[in-house]
Amino acid sequence: ETGVTQSPTHLIKTRGQQVTLRCSSQSGHNTVSWYQQALGQGPQFIFQYYREEENGRGNFPPRFSGLQFPNYSSELNVNALELDDSALYLCASSLDGTKGNYGYTFGSGTRLTVV
Amino acid sequence: GENVEQHPSTLSVQEGDSAVIKCTYSDSASNYFPWYKQELGKGPQLIIDIRSNVGEKKDQRIAVTLNKTAKHFSLHITETQPEDSAVYFCAARSGGSYIPTFGRGTSLIVHP
Repeated sequence: ETGVTQSPTHLIKTRGQQVTLRCSSQSGHNTVSWYQQALGQGPQFIFQYYREEENGRGNFPPRFSGLQFPNYSSELNVNALELDDSALYLCASSLDGTKGNYGYTFGSGTRLTVV
Repeated sequence: GENVEQHPSTLSVQEGDSAVIKCTYSDSASNYFPWYKQELGKGPQLIIDIRSNVGEKKDQRIAVTLNKTAKHFSLHITETQPEDSAVYFCAARSGGSYIPTFGRGTSLIVHP
């Protein structure tokens, strides 16, 4: 059984650029959630995908968008990067996001730095 | 929406002591409460969870208690070891959502 894999592990981008982060979910999991974790803070929910459909969204602007593919892997896209977007981006997979009573399996995250 | 408060933000103990981390939640309909451990450079790892129909759950040296009336839940770690040093997050899932809300984390430092 493989865990959650995220790529890349680190990334430096310039303000105004666009970035795509990738996530492979744990085998057997059909739900992927993305979180932003600023330094010293808890993870903040961005959005969740369940069976290729967006299943919920947190308080993030539309320039944060995502996709889930038939194999349940996922992408997070951020347009027009701002300095405040610098954070650790975490992907978490789970079984059946519509019920929410299952713990998440997190990846190790992508550290994004916007300069 | 759900609001989760976590205390303390930092906890320093001697090896072998017990550690307790406390969280409160706002939505009385919340029914699922996981705890995660995050080591440096890694993503959070689920260590224990509890559902609202249970008051306490234990797994070796860790235990979680839930007081639904007071809307708070706690993580207890006994016989702490240096490898327990990490940031611990509590979370609560509101009954009206399937997305857990996380606390701000507790940095636990276990001194040898």
